[in-house]
Amino acid sequence: ILNVEQSPQSLHVQEGDSTNFTCSFPSSNFYALHWYRWETAKSPEALFVMTLNGDEKKKGRISATLNTKEGYSYLYIKGSQPEDSATYLCAFYYGNNRLAFGKGNQVVVIP
Amino acid sequence: NAGVTQTPKFQVLKTGQSMTLQCAQDMNHEYMSWYRQDPGMGLRLIHYSVGAGITDQGEVPNGYNVSRSTTEDFPLRLLSAAPSQTSVYFCASSERGGVNEQFFGPGTRLTVL
Repeated sequence: ILNVEQSPQSLHVQEGDSTNFTCSFPSSNFYALHWYRWETAKSPEALFVMTLNGDEKKKGRISATLNTKEGYSYLYIKGSQPEDSATYLCAFYYGNNRLAFGKGNQVVVIP
Repeated sequence: NAGVTQTPKFQVLKTGQSMTLQCAQDMNHEYMSWYRQDPGMGLRLIHYSVGAGITDQGEVPNGYNVSRSTTEDFPLRLLSAAPSQTSVYFCASSERGGVNEQFFGPGTRLTVL
């Protein structure tokens, strides 16, 4: 069983503040790292799939970086808005359509 | 496109009963997977398929069977339901496996009494 760790588990952010959280994964046999956004009562939706060391991806106010050599990825939210409240999942792809998910970073943006 | 659909949305079973959770996708994706979501746990892979006729076990396969007779459908069978199988089940599909994003269905909430 692969160990994918996300920290912090939950955080409260004031509206307008920026925040970031971490996903740690095995640094060997890397194929890809996924980030998903999961709102309550919905299903997870993809934010990013990153495959190369040093990858940086951006979607609106959300961005992510990837370090495959040391086995971590950061997700950043700039200028948090209430609609950013969700759980953010990272998943490590270890081949043959198998993803190992972390437990998620639960974000609550306080208006 | 409907994307990934799952039925039923909710189900209550008694211990020992069997049932099939249905999953279908209309995006012509080769890769499909079943996950379960339990409180305090990440999504855990039950079974996956890399094409019609090809399935394999994931992280937590015990008590579940799958088959993939068509590209569109990937049903999950509970052989003899146990309370430990109370969970939310998600089906997902992707175009080329883990190097592409997964598209998730709406989930099935299963309670086993």
